[in-house]
Amino acid sequence: AQTVTQSQPEMSVQEAETVTLSCTYDTSESDYYLFWYKQPPSRQMILVIRQEAYKQQNATENRFSVNFQKAAKSFSLKISDSQLGDAAMYFCAYRGSNYKLTFGKGTLLTVNP
Amino acid sequence: GAGVSQSPSNKVTEKGKDVELRCDPISGHTALYWYRQRLGQGLEFLIYFQGNSAPDKSGLPSDRFSAERTGESVSTLTIQRTQQEDSAVYLCASSRSTYTGELFFGEGSRLTVL
Repeated sequence: AQTVTQSQPEMSVQEAETVTLSCTYDTSESDYYLFWYKQPPSRQMILVIRQEAYKQQNATENRFSVNFQKAAKSFSLKISDSQLGDAAMYFCAYRGSNYKLTFGKGTLLTVNP
Repeated sequence: GAGVSQSPSNKVTEKGKDVELRCDPISGHTALYWYRQRLGQGLEFLIYFQGNSAPDKSGLPSDRFSAERTGESVSTLTIQRTQQEDSAVYLCASSRSTYTGELFFGEGSRLTVL
């Protein structure tokens, strides 16, 4: 079974600084998708960024980018120019051939003004 | 609709009662997922539907849990004889298909069993 590990239960960053959230996963598949979701206190999960495993180029979405290392099974999220609105729980997720998303336990990000 | 809608938003029930949680997916989304999130924890997969069929219900914790979907639209998650350990937020998500992998989530139903 696939597993997703987020080793940082909590992280903090100063406003306007950069922070990197870590994620590793375990799989024997070669074709899969990886995601970062954000869950603010409102509870609604919001997709931040996705990465297809067959693409070597790292995905970017404005201030959010990933460092995808397929051989190392690592998928970290970098948030640049952090804003107060970035404060949330961040979940890394994996989707393989069985179609369900497997989530990590999450990293709580605090942004300090 | 514009987004995934779940009801009720909050439900408080007594141990032993049955509860039904409802999910209205985004119109046209064929895949629908249920997840459970205990306080301060990650998301635990329960079941997913492709159309009205449930190819994977491996995450349902016990036979007290069941789910159905009709008209390739609304889904209900039913918990019979609720226990205190069932207290959690139940999240529903939909996607255009199981192949795209991008899930759109509702705001969840918070269930508290006293």
